[in-house]
Amino acid sequence: KNEVEQSPQNLTAQEGEFITINCSYSVGISALHWLQQHPGGGIVSLFMLSSGKKKHGRLIATINIQEKHSSLHITASHPRDSAVYICAASSGSRLTFGEGTQLTVNP
Amino acid sequence: DTAVSQTPKYLVTQMGNDKSIKCEQNLGHDTMYWYKQDSKKFLKIMFSYNNKELIINETVPNRFSPKSPDKAHLNLHINSLELGDSAVYFCASSQDRVGEQFFGPGTRLTVL
Repeated sequence: KNEVEQSPQNLTAQEGEFITINCSYSVGISALHWLQQHPGGGIVSLFMLSSGKKKHGRLIATINIQEKHSSLHITASHPRDSAVYICAASSGSRLTFGEGTQLTVNP
Repeated sequence: DTAVSQTPKYLVTQMGNDKSIKCEQNLGHDTMYWYKQDSKKFLKIMFSYNNKELIINETVPNRFSPKSPDKAHLNLHINSLELGDSAVYFCASSQDRVGEQFFGPGTRLTVL
């Protein structure tokens, strides 16, 4: 069993839908990262959070330290949001990654 | 003005060869990393350097040797390449040991 579990593995949505991707971790962490991997392969850091909630545009990330759980929400989804979303738990410099969620948003 | 760059982008080579992948960051960061992404797209840390000092050395074959000539560069040298080394290798950097990480574009290594 991976130390960082994501769900769902695959998600298909219609444009405009509200998206939620979940991440649970079993390790002690200093922070939780959400990354986006584009179809072309590049990886971009979306959020790094250790408590509460962060928001960038249509993206919102939350974390519950007691429950060892984080969620990534996308409001008003758009086809350009189609990508793999990866959750990673950091303990100091060391990142432990989830297996990723493949999101496809259809027009 | 690419923040984290890697060369080459693609590398195709024969089993048994020795190859290097170079990484450079122009962000002034202190910490750099090498990650391996396997065929199932799973990412795993390999090495991390902070100010040229090795701070993370995961269980990887000793055929893999990182080298950091200065804090802006972290190169990965691989000896005696094997089929299982085929993967995408990502370099990343962060301001310090715990900061947000910025990734390079990746190097797709194919071993024939």
